[in-house]
Amino acid sequence: DSGVTQTPKHLITATGQRVTLRCSPRSGDLSVYWYQQSLDQGLQFLIQYYNGEERAKGNILERFSAQQFPDLHSELNLSSLELGDSALYFCASTRTSGRTDTQYFGPGTRLTVL
Amino acid sequence: GIQVEQSPPDLILQEGANSTLRCNFSDSVNNLQWFHQNPWGQLINLFYIPSGTKQNGRLSATTVATERYSLLYISSSQTTDSGVYFCAVAPGGNNRLAFGKGNQVVVIP
Repeated sequence: DSGVTQTPKHLITATGQRVTLRCSPRSGDLSVYWYQQSLDQGLQFLIQYYNGEERAKGNILERFSAQQFPDLHSELNLSSLELGDSALYFCASTRTSGRTDTQYFGPGTRLTVL
Repeated sequence: GIQVEQSPPDLILQEGANSTLRCNFSDSVNNLQWFHQNPWGQLINLFYIPSGTKQNGRLSATTVATERYSLLYISSSQTTDSGVYFCAVAPGGNNRLAFGKGNQVVVIP
């Protein structure tokens, strides 16, 4: 158990809908990262937050947004869903925003868009 | 962006055999991690190893940063070692991990 929690574990929805994925980092960790794992693109970085502020953006679509709350949990919002958004979404956390921290991954949320 | 190549892409092992997985990367890195993704999809952190050698039970890893590669050794493999092994690196200046395509390992009894 990495100490990172994600809910829900599975999500099935229809095209055009909007969903919210939730992540709670390990106790004491201030930075949260979101990654997407799809058959087409493999595992890719989406976005990073540190202590409530956005720190880095990767290949995140404009239909996707994220935020980190004062209690440090983070939410990833996916809107106008398309079939291609079906994927496993992971969050990871680290103690700092630094370059040399080990990232610990949550169990993931499996999103299926029908 | 940084390129990460893992080899071999697929590996079938007899239980008890040893194996070596390789990760080549195209630029200098400050972070290199090896992960095991089990059949349930969970990403288990194996090693944080931007340089040097580490061992954890039957697994060990070596990163030669100056030559831009890392190796993961699995000794006396067990069926529970089956899954996909990912190498992920973060280039200098940030901690955004870039993943390779993985090594699919199947250990047969």
